Amino acid sequence: QIALTQSPSASASLGASVKLTCTLSSGHSSFAIVWHQQQPQRGPRYLMQLNSDGTQKMGDGIPDRFSGSSSGAERYLTISGLQSEDEADYYCQTWTTGIRVFGGGTKLTVL
Amino acid sequence: EVQMVESGGGLVQPGGSLRLSCAASGFSFSSYWMTWVRQAPGKGLEWVANIKQGGSERYYVDSVKGRFIISRDNAKNSLSLQMNSLRAEDTAVYYCARDGLEGGGRIDYWGQGTLVTVFS
Repeated sequence: QIALTQSPSASASLGASVKLTCTLSSGHSSFAIVWHQQQPQRGPRYLMQLNSDGTQKMGDGIPDRFSGSSSGAERYLTISGLQSEDEADYYCQTWTTGIRVFGGGTKLTVL
Repeated sequence: EVQMVESGGGLVQPGGSLRLSCAASGFSFSSYWMTWVRQAPGKGLEWVANIKQGGSERYYVDSVKGRFIISRDNAKNSLSLQMNSLRAEDTAVYYCARDGLEGGGRIDYWGQGTLVTVFS
């Protein structure tokens, strides 16, 4: 059964960079994922689709400070030049026939 | 502009029913899978159900199978979720979301959510 694992929390300083990780379960390393951002008290927002070869499809209006990369079963979201509004929960999501799966989310704190 | 607007949330007692609606605009609704996702207070996102473009395929998370029914009206660009036999653990914000083309999968637009509270 496909599953996604994320660290519960991360932190980084204003202006710095941070790399968040989403790990696909065994046997699913070829799957694409999607990164979503949820700012406090707001609905989620699509950031990008990230394929196993590292190619990305960015959402509308997403700043180029956000980028993705892949290695094996790991999918990464890197945020450069952290701003206060980047403090949010970040969820990865994947899919198989009929089923959609979310990771547990990573709460990012901007110090 | 792609937009989804949910409605129908509210307070309901355990065992009761509620029907959520989602009005979609700004895209070819009939070309996309559509999905409901929920978020319990202080918790993460949980996929609830989705439906194929023409409605011929519907899928549900195990915890709602037999209680919830997802449906769509492509002529009205609308998505619905009929929730029956509600339980306290169904309390959550429910989001309508655009899923992918063809086989679906990539959720790329979200509504603002509607709150469902099940209490006794």
